[in-house]
Amino acid sequence: GAGVSQSPSNKVTEKGKDVELRCDPISGHTALYWYRQSLGQGLEFLIYFQGNSAPDKSGLPSDRFSAERTGGSVSTLTIQRTQQEDSAVYLCASSLGGSGYGYTFGSGTRLTVV
Amino acid sequence: QKEVEQDPGPLSVPEGAIVSLNCTYSNSAFQYFMWYRQYSRKGPELLMYTYSSGNKEDGRFTAQVDKSSKYISLFIRDSQPSDSATYLCAMKKAGGSYIPTFGRGTSLIVHP
Repeated sequence: GAGVSQSPSNKVTEKGKDVELRCDPISGHTALYWYRQSLGQGLEFLIYFQGNSAPDKSGLPSDRFSAERTGGSVSTLTIQRTQQEDSAVYLCASSLGGSGYGYTFGSGTRLTVV
Repeated sequence: QKEVEQDPGPLSVPEGAIVSLNCTYSNSAFQYFMWYRQYSRKGPELLMYTYSSGNKEDGRFTAQVDKSSKYISLFIRDSQPSDSATYLCAMKKAGGSYIPTFGRGTSLIVHP
């Protein structure tokens, strides 16, 4: 596609429920990244995919968070048993290769846990 | 102390002003330096990137890196209301980890 697409754009969920966030990267981009952006906290790295593999998942905050990528394309970030502190904007980015710069970001999913 | 420090602002300037946005960092291994612009409810978009020290100019934007001081700047000339956004610096090491470290972002407001 023309850009990085994320869905849903907004999600309100009850505490304790599971949520799935989807990222559709730019066609041909082999690298995919998930970040979390909280008010006043900046961008927090979560996980990096190269193809379908995740060589760096050091940023996942707990075992309630997991992510997968299939077909070297679409990625899903799953948060189990959501907590209020999970409320944030979850951003996905993709890039050609794993150079670490030249990201194209999606518009994010705004997650609110009530 | 965070690896990358950036004043969150907001920074409010009149249209036409020269804007200076800055970040300091503590990791001397950082070699690549980037500036992203983020409009409200949008994802960040890459504005400029530089490798190592020096200046890089692109239209009204100039990125400057001073590795000896561990200080980077983004200058915006003839600022416009459309420049109102949050500006995030990011930096990464050469080789090794490919994950940039981002600053918190500075909110810029350019008023007519």
